[in-house]
Amino acid sequence: GQQVMQIPQYQHVQEGEDFTTYCNSSTTLSNIQWYKQRPGGHPVFLIQLVKSGEVKKQKRLTFQFGEAKKNSSLHITATQTTDVGTYFCAGRGGGADGLTFGKGTHLIIQP
Amino acid sequence: NAGVTQTPKFQVLKTGQSMTLQCAQDMNHEYMSWYRQDPGMGLRLIHYSVGAGITDQGEVPNGYNVSRSTTEDFPLRLLSAAPSQTSVYFCASSYEPVEWPQHFGDGTRLSIL
Repeated sequence: GQQVMQIPQYQHVQEGEDFTTYCNSSTTLSNIQWYKQRPGGHPVFLIQLVKSGEVKKQKRLTFQFGEAKKNSSLHITATQTTDVGTYFCAGRGGGADGLTFGKGTHLIIQP
Repeated sequence: NAGVTQTPKFQVLKTGQSMTLQCAQDMNHEYMSWYRQDPGMGLRLIHYSVGAGITDQGEVPNGYNVSRSTTEDFPLRLLSAAPSQTSVYFCASSYEPVEWPQHFGDGTRLSIL
């Protein structure tokens, strides 16, 4: 079945440093979605990428979808304490129904 | 507009007991799904439904049953709870399975002793 791998599992940064999480799929994805989950909360949709090579920005967050539509990244510039949480990518590929989520990257920020 | 509502928020069961986790949405979404979240495992799809009367298995369906008699409701049943089913369960809904954002409920934290 489809696998969505996400690295790193944990990332410690000082407040103000940049952060990047990477997502790789074993199959070509029709689209990819990114979610953020605060500690004790539920996943919240951030963005969806559909086109090969697509880049989207949301303030300090930059999302990229690879040319082959098998990988994606989320980059946060100048992290703030409000960025703390777990970031998940999710996608579907290989004809399977339902979203497959990566295991997430836990972002820990030290003031 | 309540969105996706899950009940209960917390539950403790004994091994072998049965239980139904409730999920309701008021957004007229056709697609609904159940995930379980365990430490280090991310979100794993249990069952999903693309519309009333239609359900299908996800990645980890064993030990769980679902039904979809209405568009609004998608309950998850544990017929004989096992300690391995201790987890946080999230229900999600969207207009379509993949190309639309998933709206998640607040989750049910289930412990099985």
